[in-house]
Amino acid sequence: EAGVAQSPRYKIIEKRQSVAFWCNPISGHATLYWYQQILGQGPKLLIQFQNNGVVDDSQLPKDRFSAERLKGVDSTLKIQPAKLEDSAVYLCASSLPGGTYEQYFGPGTRLTVT
Amino acid sequence: QKEVEQNSGPLSVPEGAIASLNCTYSDRGSQSFFWYRQYSGKSPELIMSIYSNGDKEDGRFTAQLNKASQYVSLLIRDSQPSDSATYLCAARPSKSTFGDGTTLTVKP
Repeated sequence: EAGVAQSPRYKIIEKRQSVAFWCNPISGHATLYWYQQILGQGPKLLIQFQNNGVVDDSQLPKDRFSAERLKGVDSTLKIQPAKLEDSAVYLCASSLPGGTYEQYFGPGTRLTVT
Repeated sequence: QKEVEQNSGPLSVPEGAIASLNCTYSDRGSQSFFWYRQYSGKSPELIMSIYSNGDKEDGRFTAQLNKASQYVSLLIRDSQPSDSATYLCAARPSKSTFGDGTTLTVKP
């Protein structure tokens, strides 16, 4: 079974530029999560989708971050404009709907904002 | 107060010893609890899940849950250098929340 796919793996941009990350979940996983992980901290949930509907985006900085999940499969997370404090690893995870909530993570995208 | 708190590290144990990792949570509505292992520069990997009070064993790993005390722990028996990693505790379902992790070093 293929795991969660993410791209790109690394990205370096200047502040005020925009960037987009892509995620393809495990086949059949209706729930998709985007996390931000700053060095030395645990993952912080940015947004959770159930199919193509948003379940929780309470910690998403909506003035600069946006995310979509078209057709309930792939998802894109965008940052525009980026700030220095956005430097982090962006993790995508997926899980089966309901029940156990066991999440499986992709390899992540390491973003550096200079 | 953070929703999930883990004992501050780093934790260092000699090879072959038992490593004990602890986690408390604040939301009494949490029903599912997870331990993830994260190697440096890698993404978290699910190693244990527990849903009911008591112990759950999987190989060298034992997860313990006490809902009355809002406490979850992970024991690693016969610790190996390959167990050196950061261990993240998570609680669901009210919000997908992770602790900040405890870094474990197993010394040969």
